[in-house]
Amino acid sequence: GNSVTQMEGPVTLSEEAFLTINCTYTATGYPSLFWYVQYPGEGLQLLLKATKADDKGSNKGFEATYRKETTSFHLEKGSVQVSDSAVYFCALSGSGGYQKVTFGTGTKLQVIP
Amino acid sequence: SAVISQKPSRDICQRGTSLTIQCQVDSQVTMMFWYRQQPGQSLTLIATANQGSEATYESGFVIDKFPISRPNLTFSTLTVSNMSPEDSSIYLCSVVLDRPYEQYFGPGTRLTVT
Repeated sequence: GNSVTQMEGPVTLSEEAFLTINCTYTATGYPSLFWYVQYPGEGLQLLLKATKADDKGSNKGFEATYRKETTSFHLEKGSVQVSDSAVYFCALSGSGGYQKVTFGTGTKLQVIP
Repeated sequence: SAVISQKPSRDICQRGTSLTIQCQVDSQVTMMFWYRQQPGQSLTLIATANQGSEATYESGFVIDKFPISRPNLTFSTLTVSNMSPEDSSIYLCSVVLDRPYEQYFGPGTRLTVT
């Protein structure tokens, strides 16, 4: 079945540091890939997505590229801010209409001033 | 996009009691889901609640414990029955919009069972 593996946290960075959160997946076919963000006390928000190989999803300065050859979808940001402190979830769904979403375990990011 | 509200936002309940969580969406949606997020954990799908059909439960979740109603295309409820401390979690309502099948989440209901 489908699965998502993401790096364990917490990740602690200083403001303006470079962020990478690794995510790899196992799936058949061509899944869609997502990053969700959960700010403290809130529900999940879709941060970005990519639906086919080599697509780059981007939003709010975050980027992730769908790498089919390495089955990866790593999240990056060039300069993090304190307001980026949250839990980040990598997720995937199968192709062809709606498929159930499989979530990773989440990576907590803490950015200190 | 979809805007989802949940009530209550949080509650503290005694063991053995039941709590009904409401989910309201600002547009008509066919596919609606209920998730559980236990402390420090990822999301676990409880059930799929499509309007016009019985809810479909995932392995490990049963209707007697988590009855769901879906009376129309904008509303659903999840009841957590006969609660125990192990039910302490965040319960999230979620919807999927037709094409491009993006999934949206409510703010969650934080439940503590004492």
